[in-house]
Amino acid sequence: AQSVTQPDIHITVSEGASLELRCNYSYGATPYLFWYVQSPGQGLQLLLKYFSGDTLVQGIKGFEAEFKRSQSSFNLRKPSVHWSDAAEYFCAVGAPGNTGKLIFGQGTTLQVKP
Amino acid sequence: SQTIHQWPATLVQPVGSPLSLECTVEGTSNPNLYWYRQAAGRGLQLLFYSVGIGQISSEVPQNLSASRPQDRQFILSSKKLLLSDSGFYLCAWSGSGTGANTEAFFGQGTRLTVV
Repeated sequence: AQSVTQPDIHITVSEGASLELRCNYSYGATPYLFWYVQSPGQGLQLLLKYFSGDTLVQGIKGFEAEFKRSQSSFNLRKPSVHWSDAAEYFCAVGAPGNTGKLIFGQGTTLQVKP
Repeated sequence: SQTIHQWPATLVQPVGSPLSLECTVEGTSNPNLYWYRQAAGRGLQLLFYSVGIGQISSEVPQNLSASRPQDRQFILSSKKLLLSDSGFYLCAWSGSGTGANTEAFFGQGTRLTVV
């Protein structure tokens, strides 16, 4: 069955520290992969996506993610976290031709300490 | 540019009352449209999606229904709300092709509380 796992429900990092949010997926074929961010009470904003090609993708707000097929992972990273990055982050997989039909992970809540 | 509008932003409804949430998309044609629900402390679950007018696919059995009366309009409804229908409802659209820029775009959501 197709699924997405975000092992860390809650992460706290200090401002200026590096960040890595983990995402593992189970999918029958090469999936389309996404990271979305959600501020409290708001909709989802796309941070970055992977469809094909270079396995290291750059996104908005200084985020990047690396697709590792052998590990079925798509971890999100940022070298230096800002207080405004505090939010909930969702990893998701989708299929070609219907990329809004997404399977989401449970989400990781990021808290940033001053 | 494309925009997605979803309303209302918040809604408090009594158990047994009807529900109608509306979502419209501007700046694109023939989009795929989606309704997601986010229950408290949980991830997002796809409820319905539509690839065209009058074409609705339901992903999970539930007390809700969806309709697409126009190309860029998607409505989520219920005849009688249950307490378990409370949650944060998100509408989304994506392009209908297989090109590289067909990620999903989400509305701002509706917070529904059934009391």
